[in-house]
Amino acid sequence: GQNIDQPTEMTATEGAIVQINCTYQTSGFNGLFWYQQHAGEAPTFLSYNVLDGLEEKGRFSSFLSRSKGYSYLLLKELQMKDSASYLCAVKDSNYQLIWGAGTKLIIKP
Amino acid sequence: IAGITQAPTSQILAAGRRMTLRCTQDMRHNAMYWYRQDLGLGLRLIHYSNTAGTTGKGEVPDGYSVSRANTDDFPLTLASAVPSQTSVYFCASSDGLDTDTQYFGPGTRLTVL
Repeated sequence: GQNIDQPTEMTATEGAIVQINCTYQTSGFNGLFWYQQHAGEAPTFLSYNVLDGLEEKGRFSSFLSRSKGYSYLLLKELQMKDSASYLCAVKDSNYQLIWGAGTKLIIKP
Repeated sequence: IAGITQAPTSQILAAGRRMTLRCTQDMRHNAMYWYRQDLGLGLRLIHYSNTAGTTGKGEVPDGYSVSRANTDDFPLTLASAVPSQTSVYFCASSDGLDTDTQYFGPGTRLTVL
């Protein structure tokens, strides 16, 4: 079967750095997405990786290793507004997105 | 309209009733999707449409139907609602190009009693 694993919850301090990991086992791979979802709101797109390596976008970076079936989202200089769930999703061989259950990130002052 | 809209925002429905969730996008995206999101689970694809006039089944299609008469609208119908269909429903669209990023509507919170 297809599977996306992420930690259920993480806690970090304002101003710090946090890394959210995602491991996947899917039938085929056509890209990996990270989305942010605030409570009661829709998911919003953060990043996309299809090749191995690091993609940096401001305070957020995303890393991919296809051989290891592994990705992480790195959030720097954490702000209170970063408190949200972070969803990892992989596009499989049918070009459908398989979603992880999400990681709830709690930021403490 | 800017992006994707969904209606209603929330609904309480008696079991056995028929319900249509509406979704409209103004981005001229080819592909549209319906997901349900339940606590502790990832988003699960119900139905999708790669282009107007075509639809396909996702991971959890039973009890749901869709139509795609034009590019902009993609309604989701529950023919006879059951309590297990209580969920938050998100509609999404993508342009089918490059990364094919999906963009989401605000969601409909549905409770079936």
